[in-house]
Amino acid sequence: AQKITQTQPGMFVQEKEAVTLDCTYDTSDQSYGLFWYKQPSSGEMIFLIYQGSYDEQNATEGRYSLNFQKARKSANLVISASQLGDSAMYFCAMREGDNDMRFGAGTRLTVKP
Amino acid sequence: EPEVTQTPSHQVTQMGQEVILRCVPISNHLYFYWYRQILGQKVEFLVSFYNNEISEKSEIFDDQFSVERPDGSNFTLKIRSTKLEDSAMYFCASSEGGGASETQYFGPGTRLLVL
Repeated sequence: AQKITQTQPGMFVQEKEAVTLDCTYDTSDQSYGLFWYKQPSSGEMIFLIYQGSYDEQNATEGRYSLNFQKARKSANLVISASQLGDSAMYFCAMREGDNDMRFGAGTRLTVKP
Repeated sequence: EPEVTQTPSHQVTQMGQEVILRCVPISNHLYFYWYRQILGQKVEFLVSFYNNEISEKSEIFDDQFSVERPDGSNFTLKIRSTKLEDSAMYFCASSEGGGASETQYFGPGTRLLVL
């Protein structure tokens, strides 16, 4: 069974608009962490934002925020004021306890000028 | 800002040859990882390493693979007798701690092509 599901293979957004990238996860653990990474065309994996399962507030990092809905097991990434440089693959990932990190299939975001 | 580094950035090898991929984790990090990403696919966990031993490995990490921390700074992934299907991007990552809340920082990757 898939642990992390990203249902949007590709998304388009107009420059300066906000965009939401979806991520749902499956776990029976109480303690887990959710992460988003950006992978530009150059290939590196850039950490964006983290949300802990016990965090009551949604995580924010600059233009990135995480819409964490624990009961629905979703952790959507919101990018505000999109920039051309935001065009990349975005991966949602989860770590349960001390176990290995599992990644979703990714969403390719294209920002249109 | 400290970062994970990896060498080489690209490696081309013949099927059946051995390759060693090198990583220098962030200096105060204690947990190290290798992942791979076959072109166009998701990132897959290979192995985690802590206190000079493997703490977890996936089903992908079979006897063909080994990891080592030969000195205080390097962390290596060795692939013995490479196969065509080993062609992928290999990422090293490190984290300060090993729990669910610990962010793993990734290196730029080594793109391996097996011919």
